[in-house]
Amino acid sequence: DIQMTQSPASLSASLGETVSIECLASEGISNDLAWYQQKSGKSPQLLIYAASRLQDGVPSRFSGSGSGTRYSLKISGMQPEDEADYFCQQSYKYPTFGGGTKLELK
Amino acid sequence: QVTLKESGPGILQPSQTLSLTCSFSGFSLSTYGMCVGWIRQSSGKGLEWLANIWWNDDKYYNPSLKNRLTISKDTSNNQAFLKITNMDTADTATYYCARRALFPTGSYFDYWGQGVMVTVSS
Repeated sequence: DIQMTQSPASLSASLGETVSIECLASEGISNDLAWYQQKSGKSPQLLIYAASRLQDGVPSRFSGSGSGTRYSLKISGMQPEDEADYFCQQSYKYPTFGGGTKLELK
Repeated sequence: QVTLKESGPGILQPSQTLSLTCSFSGFSLSTYGMCVGWIRQSSGKGLEWLANIWWNDDKYYNPSLKNRLTISKDTSNNQAFLKITNMDTADTATYYCARRALFPTGSYFDYWGQGVMVTVSS
């Protein structure tokens, strides 16, 4: 199976700060990668698919990039409602998820 | 509007079989490219994909659990089902069903149910 190593495990950001979360795949996944946001007590929501495509309705401050085995999620301007857990997931082979990043507002 | 909702027993004893139902609306599992998947989340193992069933009845399972899983669907009633045999305390988790749709590039879980908590305890 493809292992997804996500970093950092947690971080805190100030209002308006730009943050980045990374995922490293154990083998190339050809941009077959999604990012999800999970708020406390809620189910995950799709933010980004195909590594860089914004899901409908997701604010444009969210963006994704990467290729091969390295991918990242960027939030350009932290907002209070962005406080959540974030997960990456590859769909290249049977789905596997990263361990998650807990993002808090400083 | 796409919605999914899981239902299950809540609590069961070790060695029992877990039966979960996903009731959905806003799409059909008879439509080309549609899929329902099951994913679980525990504090110990994070998010773990379990199984998918596609519109054409193709079924895929997590290799590490394959011998214990059975996924099925009732297209006419807009439901999908998952059975897990020989449940253990390590299977305690929140179980989600999610729609996995074909995008121009790849397929992703674009709608999730609220999840159902399942506790395995004697």
